[in-house]
Amino acid sequence: AQTVTQSQPEMSVQEAETVTLSCTYDTSESDYYLFWYKQPPSRQMILVIRQEAYKQQNATENRFSVNFQKAAKSFSLKISDSQLGDAAMYFCAYRISGGSNYKLTFGKGTLLTVNP
Amino acid sequence: GAGVSQSPSNKVTEKGKDVELRCDPISGHTALYWYRQSLGQGLEFLIYFQGNSAPDKSGLPSDRFSAERTGGSVSTLTIQRTQQEDSAVYLCASTIQAGGAYGYTFGSGTRLTVV
Repeated sequence: AQTVTQSQPEMSVQEAETVTLSCTYDTSESDYYLFWYKQPPSRQMILVIRQEAYKQQNATENRFSVNFQKAAKSFSLKISDSQLGDAAMYFCAYRISGGSNYKLTFGKGTLLTVNP
Repeated sequence: GAGVSQSPSNKVTEKGKDVELRCDPISGHTALYWYRQSLGQGLEFLIYFQGNSAPDKSGLPSDRFSAERTGGSVSTLTIQRTQQEDSAVYLCASTIQAGGAYGYTFGSGTRLTVV
């Protein structure tokens, strides 16, 4: 069974600084997708960035980028120039690319605090 | 609609009562998921609907939990004889199709408290 591990329950960063959130996963599949979601106090999960396993190039979305290491099964999220609005719970998630059920498997999350 | 809508936003119920949680997905989204988020935990998959296919109920924790999706749109998650361990946030998500690198669009969830 696929598992997703986020080893940092909490992280903090100073405004305008850079922070990296860690995620590792376990799978025997070769083709899959990885996601980072943000959950602010409003509870709504917001997609931050996604990565397709067959693409070697790391995904980037403005201030958010990932370091995808397929052999190491690692998928970290880097937030540059942190802003107060980045404070939230961040979840790493995995999904296989084939099969009949496209459910996401989530890690337990990392609570990010941004200090002014 | 513009987003995934869930109601009620919060629900407090007495142990042993039945509750119904509603999810209205984005129009045209064929896949719909229910997840449960317990305090301090990640999201736990409950059930998945794809078009007119039989739902995948493999994540439902007990036979007290059931869900239906009418007309390929609105879904209702029903919990019978609620227990205190059912207290959690129940999140619904939809996606335009089941395959591909599409992330889900989530609703804001229903916080269920069983007292």
